[in-house]
Amino acid sequence: EPEVTQTPSHQVTQMGQEVILRCVPISNHLYFYWYRQILGQKVEFLVSFYNNEISEKSEIFDDQFSVERPDGSNFTLKIRSTKLEDSAMYFCASSDGRGGTDTQYFGPGTRLTVL
Amino acid sequence: QKEVEQNSGPLSVPEGAIASLNCTYSDRGSQSFFWYRQYSGKSPELIMSIYSNGDKEDGRFTAQLNKASQYVSLLIRDSQPSDSATYLCAVNPGYGGSQGNLIFGKGTKLSVKP
Repeated sequence: EPEVTQTPSHQVTQMGQEVILRCVPISNHLYFYWYRQILGQKVEFLVSFYNNEISEKSEIFDDQFSVERPDGSNFTLKIRSTKLEDSAMYFCASSDGRGGTDTQYFGPGTRLTVL
Repeated sequence: QKEVEQNSGPLSVPEGAIASLNCTYSDRGSQSFFWYRQYSGKSPELIMSIYSNGDKEDGRFTAQLNKASQYVSLLIRDSQPSDSATYLCAVNPGYGGSQGNLIFGKGTKLSVKP
């Protein structure tokens, strides 16, 4: 069964450093998303991406964040200058979008630890 | 502020019993509703989606939607210890066909005792 994959599974970085989190969405899906979950808190939407552009973003997704689809399979989230409060699980998700379906399937996540 | 509310639990049920999980949402225009299961340290795993008022059954799971009351529930019949997890209610406030973001509740922690 097709699934969303994410790398790395765990990323440790120093405050102020740039990190890139990588995702491979399900191959025929058209919509891509990033969410994050701070330990013990709810899953929060960051950004959605369709047709090579951002379609929606939350107030969390400020200028320190960017997304890119560098090729036909990868979808990346970049954090330019990490802060301690960026420590969280980051989940990539994708949805088919055809026929009005909007079910989102989540990848296993990347645990980001900022020291 | 669009919100999704769930009782955080823990909800403890004996093996073989019915577990009932509830969720309310604030945006009356919401169209799509989802239940995800999340084991500790893992990602949300889709259990069910529901779009219309009424019940939708899939195996041991039944989702119920009442848009007038802005209420979604999930029933798990014949609960098993492997069902022990946090259950997340998620709402897509976009209109049909829109690919809006999901708004999640904090989740209800379910514990099924053998």
